[in-house]
Amino acid sequence: DTGVSQNPRHKITKRGQNVTFRCDPISEHNRLYWYRQTLGQGPEFLTYFQNEAQLEKSRLLSDRFSAERPKGSFSTLEIQRTEQGDSAMYLCASSPDNEQFFGPGTRLTVL
Amino acid sequence: KQEVTQIPAALSVPEGENLVLNCSFTDSAIYNLQWFRQDPGKGLTSLLLIQSSQREQTSGRLNASLDKSSGRSTLYIAASQPGDSATYLCAVRPVGGSYIPTFGRGTSLIVHP
Repeated sequence: DTGVSQNPRHKITKRGQNVTFRCDPISEHNRLYWYRQTLGQGPEFLTYFQNEAQLEKSRLLSDRFSAERPKGSFSTLEIQRTEQGDSAMYLCASSPDNEQFFGPGTRLTVL
Repeated sequence: KQEVTQIPAALSVPEGENLVLNCSFTDSAIYNLQWFRQDPGKGLTSLLLIQSSQREQTSGRLNASLDKSSGRSTLYIAASQPGDSATYLCAVRPVGGSYIPTFGRGTSLIVHP
């Protein structure tokens, strides 16, 4: 399968714990995006990489969120000190230029 | 700030009907518009991408049109099938240096046999 992959698919954690998600983009796609989606809403932009450089970050992203893309390949999204309001689907997408291709998402539940 | 609206929010139709889903945007300075399908609990699947210079794109039973001047795009689904049941989202990417698209909330479609 050469599509975008995300791990884990589901994560249940207790409030206050740290969690880390991984995204493996389609090979040779230089752009990688992270989004958050809650029920009944469209994806909400979190951050964006071009190769290894993090070029844009949403103002909605608090300092508890951090993302990396070492060597311009896979990316990780870490949430520190999780809160119940962080419960959502976290989506990753990659793009060679114009079109975005999404992964299956990671469903986070914070108890 | 770009705003994207999708109407209707939900739609239920019998199998075989031809459908039109609407996507409107407030800022006509767009680079492209992309339509996606999302099944419950899943990621988004790209359906069609229309560049700002294009008027429409077709793939199988799907046809998407774009009218930049009026800030509208429509997704036409011919001869709908129960397997078309999903949420359909549109996203617009602005011109200029930003590669960040703005998404609508989607239209939830149910096609019943």
